[in-house]
Amino acid sequence: EPEVTQTPSHQVTQMGQEVILRCVPISNHLYFYWYRQILGQKVEFLVSFYNNEISEKSEIFDDQFSVERPDGSNFTLKIRSTKLEDSAMYFCASSEIGTSETQYFGPGTRLLVL
Amino acid sequence: AQKVTQAQTEISVVEKEDVTLDCVYETRDTTYYLFWYKQPPSGELVFLIRRNSFDEQNEISGRYSWNFQKSTSSFNFTITASQVVDSAVYFCALSEPPNDYKLSFGAGTTVTVRA
Repeated sequence: EPEVTQTPSHQVTQMGQEVILRCVPISNHLYFYWYRQILGQKVEFLVSFYNNEISEKSEIFDDQFSVERPDGSNFTLKIRSTKLEDSAMYFCASSEIGTSETQYFGPGTRLLVL
Repeated sequence: AQKVTQAQTEISVVEKEDVTLDCVYETRDTTYYLFWYKQPPSGELVFLIRRNSFDEQNEISGRYSWNFQKSTSSFNFTITASQVVDSAVYFCALSEPPNDYKLSFGAGTTVTVRA
């Protein structure tokens, strides 16, 4: 069964460093998403991406964040200058169509900023 | 304002007991979708079910069942004859297309099933 994959599974970085989180969505899916979950809290939407552009972003997704689909398979989230409060689990998700289809989530990348 | 409220923070049951998780949602849209996801201790988010706002039929899948009631804006989830493997955090979520494709999650309910 097709699944969303994410790398790395864990990343530790120093405050102020740049990190890139990688995702490979399900191959026939057209909509891609990033969510984050701070430890013990609910899952929060960051950004959605369709047709090579951002379709929606939350207030969390400030100028420190960017997304890119550098090739036909990868979907990346870059945090330019990490802060302590960026420590969280980051989930990538994809859906076949944006409007009503189920979003399938990857296993997550646990980011720890020291 | 919270779009999805899961009032139960934690539920602890003994194996074979039934457990019902409450989910109350808020939307002004007539077209919307409701979801349940399971997050086991390993951390991934596992899709369980999707319902659209026009389909109020209850659904059963094995030991899982869902009760969707538009009149009370609720989409409750019941695990029958719980097992230790059901121990997880369960999230209810809402999407409101076409204006809003993102999932708005509730705070989650932690279910602990004791042997």
